[in-house]
Amino acid sequence: AQSVSQHNHHVILSEAASLELGCNYSYGGTVNLFWYVQYPGQHLQLLLKYFSGDPLVKGIKGFEAEFIKSKFSFNLRKPSVQWSDTAEYFCAAHPSGSARQLTFGSGTQLTVLP
Amino acid sequence: GAGVSQTPSNKVTEKGKYVELRCDPISGHTALYWYRQSLGQGPEFLIYFQGTGAADDSGLPNDRFFAVRPEGSVSTLKIQRTERGDSAVYLCASSRGGTTDTQYFGPGTRLTVL
Repeated sequence: AQSVSQHNHHVILSEAASLELGCNYSYGGTVNLFWYVQYPGQHLQLLLKYFSGDPLVKGIKGFEAEFIKSKFSFNLRKPSVQWSDTAEYFCAAHPSGSARQLTFGSGTQLTVLP
Repeated sequence: GAGVSQTPSNKVTEKGKYVELRCDPISGHTALYWYRQSLGQGPEFLIYFQGTGAADDSGLPNDRFFAVRPEGSVSTLKIQRTERGDSAVYLCASSRGGTTDTQYFGPGTRLTVL
């Protein structure tokens, strides 16, 4: 069965610290990968997505993610977090091709201390 | 521009009652998705529409759940004989319909079944 795993349920960092949130997926074929963010009181927003090509994907607000096929991973990174990055982060995937429905991980709550 | 809207934002009902949740997608988006998010979990896929027809309803948990999109725009998720386990946030998303198009999420409807 298709699945997405996020290893960290809650991460606490100080401002200016570097961030890496883990995401692993389990799919039989090629896959499209996403990171969504949900800021407090707001709805889910897309941070970045990977479909093909350069495995290092850059998104909004200084976030990036690297697709490592051999590790079935799509970790999210940011070199220096800000207090405003406090939010819940969800990794998601769907098989390439006609399937559109997203399978989400359970989310990682990031708290950035000022 | 207007995003995806969902009404009501909150719904409290009693066990055994019938509820309807409404989703207004972004204008021109042909694809519409329903997801359900339980506390501490990521969203789970329920059903996907392409135009007026349900292209994939494999995520609906049982026959108490049904969704329609009669004119290819607004969609209604209907839940019969609600159970306490149906309590969750119900999310709607829409996209242009292509396989690489971003899904834009609404704010969700928080359903509480007493």
